[in-house]
Amino acid sequence: GEKVEQHESTLSVREGDSAVINCTYTDTASSYFPWYKQEAGKGLHFVIDIRSNVDRKQSQRLIVLLDKKAKRFSLHITATQPEDSAIYFCAASWMDSNYQLIWGSGTKLIIKP
Amino acid sequence: SVLLYQKPNRDICQSGTSLKIQCVADSQVVSMFWYQQFQEQSLMLMATANEGSEATYESGFTKDKFPISRPNLTFSTLTVNNARPGDSSIYFCSSRAGGRGEQYFGPGTRLTVL
Repeated sequence: GEKVEQHESTLSVREGDSAVINCTYTDTASSYFPWYKQEAGKGLHFVIDIRSNVDRKQSQRLIVLLDKKAKRFSLHITATQPEDSAIYFCAASWMDSNYQLIWGSGTKLIIKP
Repeated sequence: SVLLYQKPNRDICQSGTSLKIQCVADSQVVSMFWYQQFQEQSLMLMATANEGSEATYESGFTKDKFPISRPNLTFSTLTVNNARPGDSSIYFCSSRAGGRGEQYFGPGTRLTVL
């Protein structure tokens, strides 16, 4: 079945720098790729997504890139701020699975002052 | 989007007891999902619940251990039967606003089994 691998378990960047979190997937039929943020002790919040008909999407400081050939997608957080510190989860889904989400293992992002 | 509310926020119970977790959506949703998350780990889908039908359970989760009810389009309950310390985790309900994947989560219920 589909697997989603999230490569960085922990990522530490200096405030103001950019952070990049990478995920790969196995099923070429995957067509929807959301990202979620989980702050300490809290629930998951949707942050941004990308669909397979585009290769780039931006929302303010968040950029998602999708490379279908490499089956890779990444979340770029620019000009990081302390409030970006959290665990970020990537996921993938596809239409035939009724868009059931397959989750990555999470990346703990630490923003250093 | 869909707003989901869960009750209780947290619970502590003794081994062998049962407890109920409630999930309420602010609008009607077709499917509700229940997830389990151990401390800072990935989410595991436990089951999918549609109104008026039996929940569909994922591998490793059973109806006897985690019965789920879905009496209407805005409500679901997850019961943890014969709770064990290994069930200590956070339980999230989740649903979609549309048909193409946007999924939203409740705030979670943190369960500790002593």
